[in-house]
Parts: sequence; C-alpha cells; structure tokens
Amino acid sequence: KAGVTQTPRYLIKTRGQQVTLSCSPISGHRSVSWYQQTPGQGLQFLFEYFSETQRNKGNFPGRFSGRQFSNSRSEMNVSTLELGDSALYLCASSLVEGIETQYFGPGTRLLVL
Amino acid sequence: DAKTTQPNSMESNEEEPVHLPCNHSTISGTDYIHWYRQLPSQGPEYVIHGLTSNVNNRMASLAIAEDRKSSTLILHRATLRDAAVYYCIPRRLDSNYQLIWGAGTKLIIKP
Repeated sequence: KAGVTQTPRYLIKTRGQQVTLSCSPISGHRSVSWYQQTPGQGLQFLFEYFSETQRNKGNFPGRFSGRQFSNSRSEMNVSTLELGDSALYLCASSLVEGIETQYFGPGTRLLVL
Repeated sequence: DAKTTQPNSMESNEEEPVHLPCNHSTISGTDYIHWYRQLPSQGPEYVIHGLTSNVNNRMASLAIAEDRKSSTLILHRATLRDAAVYYCIPRRLDSNYQLIWGAGTKLIIKP
C-alpha cells in the first residue's frame, strides 16, 4: 500500500505570494492532519480534516487554510507569505479521526525569500 | 494536555539496547502514551503506544511506570538506522485529535 504522498517536495516563494500544498493520504484513510515544523518551534499542529470537514484547528493565523476533497486528498494554502512561514509542512493520515496512529508523509519544504 | 520532559540527546553503541526515558507527571488517567520518531529528512514515524501495561511490537517495547508518570521506550538492539529524534506524546484517545509535540530526544548511534 502506498504511503502518504506530498507535493511538491520543495518550494521557493517570495514574501506576499501565496502557496498551495497537496497531500494524498494512504488509501482508505479518511483523516488528514497538517503540521508545521521549524527548528525554533518544533512540530506544531495546523488543522485536521475528516470527511471534508475541518475537525480541529491549531493556533495559526487565518492566512493558513485547508480543505479536503471527497477522495480524502487534502490541500493547504498559505496566503500573503511571510519569511517566518519558511518551514517543513507535514501531512499525516489516519483511518478515522481520533485514532492513535498517524502516518506521515515526507513533507514539503517551503522557503520564503 | 500533559507536558513531557525528555533528555535533549542520548548516545548509544550499535547493537546495544537503548532506554529512552520520558517524564509525563501531569498525565491524566485516560491519556495514552505515544512514541514517534523522526529520521533525518523524513516525516515522523509511529513507533508504539500504550495506556497502563507494558507493550511490545516489532520495533520496540514500551515500559510504563505503575503511577504512569513516566515511561521508557526500549530499543532492544540499536542499529545505525535507529538514529532519529524520538518524541513521547501523551494523548487522550477520544480527544479532539491534536498531537502536542515536545522537543524530543535526539538519539545518536555510534558504530
């Protein structure tokens, strides 16, 4: 069974631009969570989607948004990029919400110049 | 959510057992203890989880203290491939589903 895939793997943007990252969960998994990882803050939860609905949201500004499609694939969008948005963005999938085991993708490394 | 304390880093020799400690003194009675690890340049990987009794799987063993205020992840025979950052995360199974990640323990394996 294929693992969680994220595209693109690397991205360079400039301040003020917007970016969309994509995540395809493991087949059959219906829950997708997004995390931001930076050297200073570590791994921080962004949001979680289940059955196309946002179930939980972390403490991030409204510039960070996401959605989930009927096939469970998910996208996250960051508008008006800031230098501090440079990070590794990780997507994790699980069978359903509230299940303990999350399977992570390799991440998208975003550099904002 | 319960807070955790883990050593910043640990070193071990290859093919020797490794015991990674985690203190979670504020854990609640319904919090499971999860362990994940993150290998260099990869996303985190689930290792093991447990509630009260010790747990074993093909990757590791989890020893949970009787008062549940601490736990130890045991790698029985470390290999170079086990070099990673190990995260201990208490979490309620029925919670609104956020994994709160600490800084973890960077495990260095010496050949």
